[in-house]
Parts: sequence; structure tokens; C-alpha cells
Amino acid sequence: DVKVTQSSRYLVKRTGEKVFLECVQDMDHENMFWYRQDPGLGLRLIYFSYDVKMKEKGDIPEGYSVSREKKERFSLILESASTNQTSMYLCASTGNFAETQYFGPGTRLLVL
Amino acid sequence: TQLLEQSPQFLSIQEGENLTVYCNSSSVFSSLQWYRQEPGEGPVLLVTVVTGGEVKKLKRLTFQFGDARKDSSLHITAAQPGDTGLYLCAGQDSNYQLIWGAGTKLIIKP
Repeated sequence: DVKVTQSSRYLVKRTGEKVFLECVQDMDHENMFWYRQDPGLGLRLIYFSYDVKMKEKGDIPEGYSVSREKKERFSLILESASTNQTSMYLCASTGNFAETQYFGPGTRLLVL
Repeated sequence: TQLLEQSPQFLSIQEGENLTVYCNSSSVFSSLQWYRQEPGEGPVLLVTVVTGGEVKKLKRLTFQFGDARKDSSLHITAAQPGDTGLYLCAGQDSNYQLIWGAGTKLIIKP
């Protein structure tokens, strides 16, 4: 059974803190994605990676960075968290861009 | 900028009723995916439609891809409380990027 796991389900941080969100997939997928989901806006792509150490900006990369040191792991970093980064963060992976994306359960981040 | 407009944004109906959710764009997509997301979980793929005019059925759910591959619909017959969730459509463009709709929040009341 395919599995995408995210390090935390809920996270509360203070403005200015550095935040790490981690995602692990066990399907040997090349491609991994980070989205944020806000009510009425759907899923917005922050960054994606198509190989180890490779990354591409999505639609809203400002204020975020990513790291892909191993194929199964894709990390999202908020260098200095701000209140407008309060959101649901979803990680996904796929073996082929034309195929299904498999999602993790999401991390609900609150920045105070 | 490619846009995928989903309507309605919110729908609350009684068990047993029928409903249709729409996904519209001015852009042509190579395929279109429908996902369902339950509270506290990530989206899960329901179906992918690829050919213009294609119709796919999943039990009481019927998915249709428009002839011009710019729009799609999801029809649910005799809705059940278990159908409650957020329904998302996502169109794949020529660069294999997914363009996401904003979602339809569906509540089925017993």
C-alpha cells in the first residue's frame, strides 16, 4: 500500500521561528511536491522536486525553501515564519507527472 | 495564467438527492483528475479522464470530460452521508503541471 507520511499533523510556531516540515514516501517516486491549501483557494504549489537535489519553484515559493537530499524525503523550510503562512501544508509524490499524485495527511501549521 | 473554476463552492443537500459539480476552464487539458479529501486527510484520487467526451462511472459517481477537454463534471446519484467531503478537480497542462480548482465542499445530511 502506497504511503506518504508527514512529520507532524499539527504545529504551532511563533513569528520569526524557523520551521521544518518533513515528508517521506515509500514508493520510490522521483517527483515530490509541497502545496499549501487555504479555504477557497484550493491547492497552490510551493515547490516541487523531480530528482535528488533538484528543485523547481511552484506558483508561490516566496518565504519558503526546500531540501531533497534523499529520494524518499522532501523537506519544506520556512526560514522565518510569518502569520500569513498559517495554513494546511500537503506533500505529494508521483512516479510520473502524468500519473496520480499521492498525498500525505497534511500538516496544519499555526503561526502566532 | 491558467484557471480552473469549480462550482459550486459549497453544497449542502439531503441524503438521497442528486447533485452535479462543475469544473470549467478556458484552457485545454491533456487529462483531468478528480480527488476527494476528507477532513484531516490529504486528497485521494477518484478518477482520471483523458479523452474528450469520456464518461467514467464509479458506483453512484459519474464523471464526464468535455468534448473540447476544457471542462468536466461530477454527478452523484442518490447522495449518501459517506459522500461528504471536499471534491477537487485538477487539470494537467501540456507541461504535465496540475492546475487545481478551489474545491467544492459537499455535505450530505442524513
